[in-house]
Amino acid sequence: GAVVSQHPSWVICKSGTSVKIECRSLDFQATTMFWYRQFPKQSLMLMATSNEGSKATYEQGVEKDKFLINHASLTLSTLTVTSAHPEDSSFYICSASSLGRASLEQFFGPGTRLTVL
Amino acid sequence: AQSVTQLGSHVSVSEGALVLLRCNYSSSVPPYLFWYVQYPNQGLQLLLKYTSAATLVKGINGFEAEFKKSETSFHLTKPSAHMSDAAEYFCAVSDQTGANNLFFGTGTRLTVIP
Repeated sequence: GAVVSQHPSWVICKSGTSVKIECRSLDFQATTMFWYRQFPKQSLMLMATSNEGSKATYEQGVEKDKFLINHASLTLSTLTVTSAHPEDSSFYICSASSLGRASLEQFFGPGTRLTVL
Repeated sequence: AQSVTQLGSHVSVSEGALVLLRCNYSSSVPPYLFWYVQYPNQGLQLLLKYTSAATLVKGINGFEAEFKKSETSFHLTKPSAHMSDAAEYFCAVSDQTGANNLFFGTGTRLTVIP
């Protein structure tokens, strides 16, 4: 149980285009989802936290107009990187937690590697 | 404010030797502490967690960690390293309000030498 999937697992896009990454909780309802970014050989940096049905809370320094987060249902959150640039190339990881299930733990997806040419 | 410091970005051990990965935390409130493992191009997998119960926590794959409040430490150990243990390990801290606001250390890459 507690499986989180991400799609796509990798994506290559041209500079200036937008890319959408999906994060799904497969066997539980995720009241909260988190989006992280990980640059090569570095740690995970929290980008934003989203609760189902409400606007995401962005960490300082993360542009909310560039990284659009939608958490429309209890099993799906999406991250859209708008007008992507090479510096946005990174490994994006989502996680999900549930008030009703192991509330102390975040369950992580396998990550999406974004390469912007 | 909470933070985690992982001493040693790279640790190498021989197969069969003791694994010791260091983690020190800073927290103004009683912490919850976690160790995660990340294999190349994959997400994070929880190894173990401390949630204010027993100070010695046993996790998966033979790993364990001991919470030492006096030393503000939560070091990860395994008596005998296996080749499959080679990965990146992250220590993380959160407050006791729940799973939100995980703060990760910078990670330690474990290499196992055959």
